[in-house]
Amino acid sequence: QLQLQESGPGLVKPSETLSLTCTVSGGSISSSPYYWGWIRQSPGKGLEWIGSIYYSGSTYYNPSLKSRVTISVDTSKNQFSLRLRSVTAADTAVYYCARHNRLGSRADPFDPWGQGTLVTVSS
Amino acid sequence: QSALTQPASVSGSPGQSITISCTGTSSDVGGYKYVSWYQQYPGKVPKFIIYDVSNRPSGVSNRFSGSKSGNTASLTISGLQAEDEADYYCSSYTTTGTVVFGGGTKLTVL
Repeated sequence: QLQLQESGPGLVKPSETLSLTCTVSGGSISSSPYYWGWIRQSPGKGLEWIGSIYYSGSTYYNPSLKSRVTISVDTSKNQFSLRLRSVTAADTAVYYCARHNRLGSRADPFDPWGQGTLVTVSS
Repeated sequence: QSALTQPASVSGSPGQSITISCTGTSSDVGGYKYVSWYQQYPGKVPKFIIYDVSNRPSGVSNRFSGSKSGNTASLTISGLQAEDEADYYCSSYTTTGTVVFGGGTKLTVL
């Protein structure tokens, strides 16, 4: 059974870089052509897609965040990562990692999801 | 890209049917048959209940159904039950290869 787990600092200072890692277990990122993604949810707000990465490394970003976001994959560690630069309080959110459901399709819904990790931006 | 538009809240009594709308543009909802719906309970991870506009994954009740007309997709829940009280989000693939979510709708079962 595929499982995803986010990890990283829960507190980041304004103007610094938010870095999160998603560790995948129960399956190999490199062995199947899936897309993997990051989604966030600000407290009491809706879901926002941050971006997705193909197992080969091709990336697709939310245009509103594109200038600050980098998503990368490390197949040797079976992980993919998120870096969000120059954060402000508006970036405070629960950050989820997830996989697009069907092989080779980022048009697919996300399933499964990690449990999410709260990142607070504050000095 | 702008978030898809959903009503902030809807409500219904047990046994009734409700419909949640999700309005986008010809660049997202209207452009493809790739609209999904998620159900999220407070403090829980979202779970997808509809994909490709109207398909249900295995294990999802047939009380949930999806449809689309033009730039507006809809989620209908029939035979409303107390356990259906949750937040519902639509999402769509876009013509630029990105993903966009709706703002979410809080369903209250009266």
